Amino acid sequence: AQSVTQLDSQVPVFEEAPVELRCNYSSSVSVYLFWYVQYPNQGLQLLLKYLSGSTLVKGINGFEAEFNKSQTSFHLRKPSVHISDTAEYFCAVSEGGGSNYKLTFGKGTLLTVNP
Amino acid sequence: KAGVTQTPRYLIKTRGQQVTLSCSPISGHRSVSWYQQTPGQGLQFLFEYFSETQRNKGNFPGRFSGRQFSNSRSEMNVSTLELGDSALYLCASSPRLAGNTGELFFGEGSRLTVL
Repeated sequence: AQSVTQLDSQVPVFEEAPVELRCNYSSSVSVYLFWYVQYPNQGLQLLLKYLSGSTLVKGINGFEAEFNKSQTSFHLRKPSVHISDTAEYFCAVSEGGGSNYKLTFGKGTLLTVNP
Repeated sequence: KAGVTQTPRYLIKTRGQQVTLSCSPISGHRSVSWYQQTPGQGLQFLFEYFSETQRNKGNFPGRFSGRQFSNSRSEMNVSTLELGDSALYLCASSPRLAGNTGELFFGEGSRLTVL
């Protein structure tokens, strides 16, 4: 069965600093990988996704992630964060598509950007 | 284009009661998925509906049920409420089966408190 581990529950950083949010997954088959962001009192919004092809994926708001099959990781990075990036970030995995598709989410990483 | 709309946004119920939550997907989206979000368990998949048929189901008891109407609007129902059902219930829509696109568009959620 698929599972997702987000290694840090909270990540505090200063504005304009780089950040990496770590995500590891467990699956015996090929996967789709996602990062979603949740701002306070809002639903989730897709940041980026990996379905196939290039292992470096660029998303919205300057975020990018790299799929590493050998390390079963999909870490999220941003070279310079802003106060507005403060939110909870969720990594998610699905074992392929089709009618049995369901996203399995990690527990989330709360990113706090301080001035 | 209007986003995913969930009603009500907040509600309070007592143990033993039942509750119905509503979700209107983005216009043209035919798939609706439901997730439960709690601080302890994180985001957990409840079910997905497509063309009025349940296509996929998570590991929740039979007290949790749903349906989808011909206009793609969906409702979920929880009967015989328990304290542990207190959660944010998120609805997400997708233009086709979620597994075919890999992307979900989430609403802001319905926050249920069971006393």
